Amino acid sequence: EVQLVESGGGLVQPGGSLRLSCAASGFTFSSYWMHWVRQAPGKGLVWVSRINSDGSSTSYADSVKGRFTISRDNAKNTLYLQMNSLRAEDTAVYYCARDILQRFDYWGQGTLVTVSS
Amino acid sequence: QSALTQPRSVSGSPGQSVTISCTGTSSDVGGYNYVSWYQQHPGKAPKLMIYDVSKRPSGVPDRFSGSKSGNTASLTISGLQAEDEADYYCCSYAGRNWVFGGGTKLTVL
Repeated sequence: EVQLVESGGGLVQPGGSLRLSCAASGFTFSSYWMHWVRQAPGKGLVWVSRINSDGSSTSYADSVKGRFTISRDNAKNTLYLQMNSLRAEDTAVYYCARDILQRFDYWGQGTLVTVSS
Repeated sequence: QSALTQPRSVSGSPGQSVTISCTGTSSDVGGYNYVSWYQQHPGKAPKLMIYDVSKRPSGVPDRFSGSKSGNTASLTISGLQAEDEADYYCCSYAGRNWVFGGGTKLTVL
């Protein structure tokens, strides 16, 4: 059974940093592209970032470019999102999702990031 | 990277059909056949309902169907059931990025 479990969310002050993790199981993690998608409270889904299967290629939404870094450790079956210079507008539930041919077929349950002083 | 445009809400009675539109540009919806739709119940993770414009993953009822014309994609749900009440999001590949719609709240009357 495919499972994606996010962790690392919490309360952080504006300008602070946080690293999210997504532990994958039930499939060959190293064969799939992975994404982070976020959802602000009461708002819609917003794509954040994507990484290819071996970690050699990444892409980001303009809103996080230069502040967030996506990475992966295929030996640990784990996806990461390093978030720096956090702003109030980054407050959201962050989901990791598996990509198969440009669609997100499995999602984690999400981890809440709150940026507030 | 502007969000795709969806109606904020739609509604229908049990057994009826509803269609949710998703309008983008030639750089996303119109440029690729990689439109997908997701259902999200309150407090839950999104669930893939339609991919590649009109394909259904295993386990998704055939009451759900998708189509596309130009820069607008559509999700049609026929034979509405109470459990279909949820938020629905379209998503399109847009080159190196992906873009979601703002979401549509479906109410089953």
